Amino acid sequence: AQKVTQAQTEISVVEKEDVTLDCVYETRDTTYYLFWYKQPPSGELVFLIRRNSFDEQNEISGRYSWNFQKSTSSFNFTITASQVVDSAVYFCALITGFQKLVFGTGTRLLVSP
Amino acid sequence: DSGVTQTPKHLITATGQRVTLRCSPRSGDLSVYWYQQSLDQGLQFLIQYYNGEERAKGNILERFSAQQFPDLHSELNLSSLELGDSALYFCASSTGTATYEQYFGPGTRLTVT
Repeated sequence: AQKVTQAQTEISVVEKEDVTLDCVYETRDTTYYLFWYKQPPSGELVFLIRRNSFDEQNEISGRYSWNFQKSTSSFNFTITASQVVDSAVYFCALITGFQKLVFGTGTRLLVSP
Repeated sequence: DSGVTQTPKHLITATGQRVTLRCSPRSGDLSVYWYQQSLDQGLQFLIQYYNGEERAKGNILERFSAQQFPDLHSELNLSSLELGDSALYFCASSTGTATYEQYFGPGTRLTVT
């Protein structure tokens, strides 16, 4: 069965701090895809990144970076120099050949000025 | 703006009633997905359609049904509504299969009284 665990329910930081959101996944499939989505207070879900299981290269996009480690089944997300606009709930998600996107429970990030 | 539209934005109805939620995917996207987000269940996949055909099913109740029309818009029908059906219902679309990134609409907030 597929499972995504986001153990951090809520994280509070002060602006300009770096913060890492953890994501641990479980699957027996060798081919799978991992995603991160952001849900700001306005409620919509915003796609951030997609990574397939064969590509372990870390990715950086501006202040965002992702660390994919198959050895520990983790796909962690780091925000560098956080800003108030980063305040949101962040979801990690997993999909395999069964074609059902499974979401973690989300991590609420609060960035205060 | 993801390009996915959902109507209505808010819906308040009574127990036992039936409602229809509507979704228009991004231009060119053939897949449509429906999700339910509630406080106790989190984000749950309900059903996927690809080019008019049902492709995958999640934890969708028998009281719920969906379809995708030739113009690719989709409707989610919820009947015999119960208080527990109160939730945020998201529609998402993607170019191909569910392994592609999904773009979410703004959601329909359903309140059953």
